[in-house]
Amino acid sequence: GAGVSQSPSNKVTEKGKDVELRCDPISGHTALYWYRQSLGQGLEFLIYFQGNSAPDKSGLPSDRFSAERTGGSVSTLTIQRTQQEDSAVYLCASSLASGPGNYGYTFGSGTRLTVV
Amino acid sequence: SQQGEEDPQALSIQEGENATMNCSYKTSINNLQWYRQNSGRGLVHLILIRSNEREKHSGRLRVTLDTSKKSSSLLITASRAADTASYFCATDQYNFNKFYFGSGTKLNVKP
Repeated sequence: GAGVSQSPSNKVTEKGKDVELRCDPISGHTALYWYRQSLGQGLEFLIYFQGNSAPDKSGLPSDRFSAERTGGSVSTLTIQRTQQEDSAVYLCASSLASGPGNYGYTFGSGTRLTVV
Repeated sequence: SQQGEEDPQALSIQEGENATMNCSYKTSINNLQWYRQNSGRGLVHLILIRSNEREKHSGRLRVTLDTSKKSSSLLITASRAADTASYFCATDQYNFNKFYFGSGTKLNVKP
């Protein structure tokens, strides 16, 4: 597609429920990233996928968080047993294979998750 | 932990004035990038500066990098109301494949 697409744009869920957030990167971008941004804060790195390599999961805050990327394209971030502190905007970004160090990230518009 | 930290946290200026934002970081880097964020949603890439560069221009934007001081500045000249946004610096901590963001500078340009 023309840009990075994220869905849903907004999600309100009850504490304890599982949620799935979706990211569709730019066609041809083999690198995909998930970041989280709490209100008024900077972006917190969560996970990074590059082609068929094992993902870099070093930023996932707990084992309730997981992500997968199917067919080297669409990615799903899953949060199990959501807690109120999970409320944030979840941003997905993609970049060309050579990494964001050359061309920068292209970000989606994010999913605003509210846990009540 | 965050790698880059922006200063000031908030800045309010009149249209036509210049806006300067600073970013400090802690470890060696390959590259530093600046992004703009409107309305708390997706970020837009503004400019990338490599560790062997000292200054870079793009339209009304001027970025400087001082690796000895581990700092960068973003200058927006002749600001416009449309420049109102949050601005973030991002550094790669010598890991070419992922970037770490600061908490941002919230710029308000008054018409």
